[in-house]
Amino acid sequence: DGGITQSPKYLFRKEGQNVTLSCEQNLNHDAMYWYRQDPGQGLRLIYYSQIVNDFQKGDIAEGYSVSREKKESFPLTVTSAQKNPTAFYLCASSMGQVVRYNEQFFGPGTRLTVL
Amino acid sequence: AQSVTQPDIHITVSEGASLELRCNYSYGATPYLFWYVQSPGQGLQLLLKYFSGDTLVQGIKGFEAEFKRSQSSFNLRKPSVHWSDAAEYFCATNSGGSNYKLTFGKGTLLTVNP
Repeated sequence: DGGITQSPKYLFRKEGQNVTLSCEQNLNHDAMYWYRQDPGQGLRLIYYSQIVNDFQKGDIAEGYSVSREKKESFPLTVTSAQKNPTAFYLCASSMGQVVRYNEQFFGPGTRLTVL
Repeated sequence: AQSVTQPDIHITVSEGASLELRCNYSYGATPYLFWYVQSPGQGLQLLLKYFSGDTLVQGIKGFEAEFKRSQSSFNLRKPSVHWSDAAEYFCATNSGGSNYKLTFGKGTLLTVNP
């Protein structure tokens, strides 16, 4: 079955540590996205990538970094510079410019807790 | 800039009752509009989308939504709610073309009473 996988589902981190969240898709989508979700805040865009080896900052990129070395993979690193990293992180993908309305498909999410 | 407003943070309905979740958007041209549903601790699932044509769109799980340009609205409806519909619902929009980003509302939490 085609879809998006995120791992791990739950992640615990000590303050001052960097941590990397995995996102893989086998939908052959060009575009991928990372969102952060906090209660009552909706979804806020962290980074997005329209194509391999290219990515852009979203609305809340500070304290995060990404890479896009392969079409199917878009890992997110939460650095020690992120002041309040405890949140639910969602990865998504879309076909990109091939389809005008650019519907996004979401993974199951990773819940990160900083101890 | 685009924006999406979901005026209701939390709605409670009885099982079997009808449901309407409100969504208002702010965008000059015809937007592309989406409704997503999220069960607790899960990712988002697309319920339906609108990008042109018939203003009443049908989605999965018995949901429908109506695009009203005059009111800048895209409200989600269901004639009879089931307990399994309890979840959080998000309205989203993008302007299409080379704009890859979706703008989401802050969500409406639906509670279903037995």
